[in-house]
Amino acid sequence: DGGITQSPKYLFRKEGQNVTLSCEQNLNHDAMYWYRQDPGQGLRLIYYSQIVNDFQKGDIAEGYSVSREKKESFPLTVTSAQKNPTAFYLCASTPDRLDTQYFGPGTRLTVL
Amino acid sequence: GQQVMQIPQYQHVQEGEDFTTYCNSSTTLSNIQWYKQRPGGHPVFLIQLVKSGEVKKQKRLTFQFGEAKKNSSLHITATQTTDVGTYFCAGLRGGKLIFGQGTELSVKP
Repeated sequence: DGGITQSPKYLFRKEGQNVTLSCEQNLNHDAMYWYRQDPGQGLRLIYYSQIVNDFQKGDIAEGYSVSREKKESFPLTVTSAQKNPTAFYLCASTPDRLDTQYFGPGTRLTVL
Repeated sequence: GQQVMQIPQYQHVQEGEDFTTYCNSSTTLSNIQWYKQRPGGHPVFLIQLVKSGEVKKQKRLTFQFGEAKKNSSLHITATQTTDVGTYFCAGLRGGKLIFGQGTELSVKP
């Protein structure tokens, strides 16, 4: 069953802790993306990667880091430098950067 | 910064009424995509418009792309309770997809 998986669905962390969100796809897509969704603000791009071992900052990259060691995987680390990390995080992939995006189910992160 | 404005932010309708959401960009877009996000879910692709003045239909949904490729609209005829959710437009500009803020639609049966 092809698609994008994100885990976990809900995540709770204490303030000051780094946390890594998982994103895996078996669609053989080249490009992968991380978005943050806050109520009433739509989706904002954090990082994106068009090929393995390469990634670029999006509009709100501060306090986040990513890696793309494998085509299938694009994990996002929310660091303690992110001032307001509580949000819904969505991972997406596309066959190429100009194509439509396939979204994962999302991870809802709450920092206590 | 780069923005795609979408209005209204919320729309409450009675079942059977029509619904329209509008998307506007200050600069020309290569294409525009529309997504639907059900409550508690993730965005799901609906359609992509590429050509100036393009109109596409999916059953009760009609999508338009403006002549100048700076604006777009989604119109739903005779809404049903299954239409509830947030509708996002996303404009492709400079190789990046810029999402509007979304319009949250609620339908009263």
